Amino acid sequence: GESVGLHLPTLSVQEGDNSIINCAYSNSASDYFIWYKQESGKGPQFIIDIRSNMDKRQGQRVTVLLNKTVKHLSLQIAATQPGDSAVYFCAENPPRGGGNKLTFGTGTQLKVEL
Amino acid sequence: DTAVSQTPKYLVTQMGNDKSIKCEQNLGHDTMYWYKQDSKKFLKIMFSYNNKELIINETVPNRFSPKSPDKAHLNLHINSLELGDSAVYFCASGESNTEAFFGQGTRLTVV
Repeated sequence: GESVGLHLPTLSVQEGDNSIINCAYSNSASDYFIWYKQESGKGPQFIIDIRSNMDKRQGQRVTVLLNKTVKHLSLQIAATQPGDSAVYFCAENPPRGGGNKLTFGTGTQLKVEL
Repeated sequence: DTAVSQTPKYLVTQMGNDKSIKCEQNLGHDTMYWYKQDSKKFLKIMFSYNNKELIINETVPNRFSPKSPDKAHLNLHINSLELGDSAVYFCASGESNTEAFFGQGTRLTVV
């Protein structure tokens, strides 16, 4: 489920189940999107990305779906494992020259229960 | 073989002090960034440098001054530290319109 207010949204899943983490992005001109995983005490780590000319991209156990019509991004994790427990961020990159300006979402805490 | 390394990992200091955080990347990227992560885990870009040139400055107080001696290094100097500066600061590097690679973070605590 999710929590609202000042707390990070949390998704609790059983080990072995599939997880779906959702994200709404803000800029309709953004053309590049990334999902990052952040474990406690570490920096964000790249998981998977997708460009705006695609609506689905698959990696190892992960799939990203992009719905530009409603500005929605989702990350699906198959067969969730305890090591998947972390905070997950989506990031969007509005088009500009001279480098990225990755804008991050608020993050979702994924908890995997044994 | 750390791709983006920043030092120190932890920094505890008193209000009013001046401190620096160093960052180095060995990935050959042209662009480096500083991000701030607050207590609610919100990540916000502060600065972006491309080939030693400042290209993004996100209305950060001018007590924060980034310095890029070469494209592999981007240091962050903070003057007159305030309690509200307490956060985790992340250095990152990347190329245009590709993923950014993040360092391990520097947890700054101002007391």
